[in-house]
Amino acid sequence: DAGVIQSPRHEVTEMGQEVTLRCKPISGHDYLFWYRQTMMRGLELLIYFNNNVPIDDSGMPEDRFSAKMPNASFSTLKIQPSEPRDSAVYFCASSSPFWEMKSTDTQYFGPGTRLTVL
Amino acid sequence: KQEVTQIPAALSVPEGENLVLNCSFTDSAIYNLQWFRQDPGKGLTSLLLIQSSQREQTSGRLNASLDKSSGRSTLYIAASQPGDSATYLCAATYNNNDMRFGAGTRLTVKP
Repeated sequence: DAGVIQSPRHEVTEMGQEVTLRCKPISGHDYLFWYRQTMMRGLELLIYFNNNVPIDDSGMPEDRFSAKMPNASFSTLKIQPSEPRDSAVYFCASSSPFWEMKSTDTQYFGPGTRLTVL
Repeated sequence: KQEVTQIPAALSVPEGENLVLNCSFTDSAIYNLQWFRQDPGKGLTSLLLIQSSQREQTSGRLNASLDKSSGRSTLYIAASQPGDSATYLCAATYNNNDMRFGAGTRLTVKP
């Protein structure tokens, strides 16, 4: 498997524009997580899905952020309108079905999308 | 090579005990050190973030320390409760946003 795939790897946009980040989880994984990483706040969970259903979106900072998972192999994180303070690295991660989890609940991270909002 | 190690891999304690989880990192040029809690079927919950210029952070019953020179961090949990049972991960972040996770310590607190 190619691992978790994210696109684009880098995105530079202007304030007010819509930004869409994409993620393809590892095949067979039924959990998908979106995280945001900044140097000041570290890694923060935004939202996660189980079997394509959003389970916890309490980490989504504002209504400008939305996430969807239309099928088991694709998810998007959208920011509309974007603001300079949204600049960060956004990670997607996936993990195996709950019943397979043993000693550790390993999450496999994608390479991240570095977003810069000017 | 930047590696993060956590000891022990698993820990079981009776309720009420104070405990310490250990994290070590090979490259001391970290930007920050972050401790997470992981529950089965859930995302990582950030517990404490220590910037490289700081020595410790506290939140409630949790206290995390950082010693860059020795490449070590500890997470101290006071008066443990069954609800503290989870896997605890530490992660070192470097200046290129590269995050290196430890394998975690699985904590069980028995009533």
